[in-house]
Amino acid sequence: DQQVKQNSPSLSVQEGRISILNCDYTNSMFDYFLWYKKYPAEGPTFLISISSIKDKNEDGRFTVFLNKSAKHLSLHIVPSQPGDSAVYFCAARGYGGSQGNLIFGKGTKLSVKP
Amino acid sequence: NAGVTQTPKFQVLKTGQSMTLQCAQDMNHNSMYWYRQDPGMGLRLIYYSASEGTTDKGEVPNGYNVSRLNKREFSLRLESAAPSQTSVYFCASSEGRNSPLHFGNGTRLTVT
Repeated sequence: DQQVKQNSPSLSVQEGRISILNCDYTNSMFDYFLWYKKYPAEGPTFLISISSIKDKNEDGRFTVFLNKSAKHLSLHIVPSQPGDSAVYFCAARGYGGSQGNLIFGKGTKLSVKP
Repeated sequence: NAGVTQTPKFQVLKTGQSMTLQCAQDMNHNSMYWYRQDPGMGLRLIYYSASEGTTDKGEVPNGYNVSRLNKREFSLRLESAAPSQTSVYFCASSEGRNSPLHFGNGTRLTVT
């Protein structure tokens, strides 16, 4: 059973517009959430994170929103650029032992068209 | 600063052969991880090492063994490769529990 779900396999956005990538989770014990970006033939690279005590975190063009009651987080990229075209993974972490490891969603492929 | 280095980048094995995937990090991180990525499956944790001298199973450990050789190095061994182990393998490291993982560029393994 998937604990972290990214229900959109792909998303296409025009350059300069906003990209919104969504992620849902089922485990209420998750307390730390991250977004990773992955280009082909490279490893995932860390983008931005948020702790469960916050509902928003910003870093330049990237903002992550967390809605704990809905068990939902989203990544906003404004403005989108062609170099943002990549696969984006949402990940979540719970408490101690194996719960302390990251669980990843299946990813959303973002295409930003010039 | 190389970060996380994985070798080899590509490997083709025949069913039943064995091999070891190597991983080294130069960030003085305590924790290290092995993930596999399959099409449509995201990243799944195989094994992890929370600190030097400890290793634990992740979500998909069957058919694999690991060794945390020292703080820098964490290897993944396939004793008898199977076609189901065809995948891209990523090694990662982190400072601690609430720190992001830093990934290597992966090893693409094909088992025929």
